[in-house]
Amino acid sequence: DAKTTQPTSMDCAEGRAANLPCNHSTISGNEYVYWYRQIHSQGPQYIIHGLKNNETNEMASLIITEDRKSSTLILPHATLRDTAVYYCIVRNLFGNEKLTFGTGTRLTIIP
Amino acid sequence: ETGVTQSPTHLIKTRGQQVTLRCSSQSGHNTVSWYQQALGQGPQFIFQYYREEENGRGNFPPRFSGLQFPNYSSELNVNALELDDSALYLCASSLGGRGSEAFFGQGTRLTVV
Repeated sequence: DAKTTQPTSMDCAEGRAANLPCNHSTISGNEYVYWYRQIHSQGPQYIIHGLKNNETNEMASLIITEDRKSSTLILPHATLRDTAVYYCIVRNLFGNEKLTFGTGTRLTIIP
Repeated sequence: ETGVTQSPTHLIKTRGQQVTLRCSSQSGHNTVSWYQQALGQGPQFIFQYYREEENGRGNFPPRFSGLQFPNYSSELNVNALELDDSALYLCASSLGGRGSEAFFGQGTRLTVV
């Protein structure tokens, strides 16, 4: 699986947009970009995924660059409950579909 | 709420013992994966079951084994427990197929003393 690079930590003011970057320069054509988050002591929570087009759902937006080598997860109006570790994962469409987690970005929302 | 339930939530075992962890997958999901998460690290893939057959395994020794039942629930068994097996064990279920998202349970916190 391709590896991802994320900043170790980020802060964001409550009510502002949180933009979390991810580099995946070795991503291959059959790999999706997935985002999960993990609030302390809970299981990871699925946020969003995409292949090459930008995606939006009720939780977030995912912007993938045209060359697919990087992406940004956007939480449009961050709340204190968005404080968590955010994982960017590239995942093969085939095979056993395992998720390869890195160390993620620890996002802290500041009141 | 993901519909994935794990039991027990917490467990303390002695080194050398055996443990069984259980997972009920979300309704309609035929694929279950297990992950180990040590403190301060991301989850690590142990193995996956698809329709009662093992469908991929991570870098874990054979003393980590599993089962999936006809109703798609699953068990993770760990024999000869070691202190380093202390971790949060996570179960994730998915529908199987291209790009299907996985939904995680809350995990079982295992402490080996």
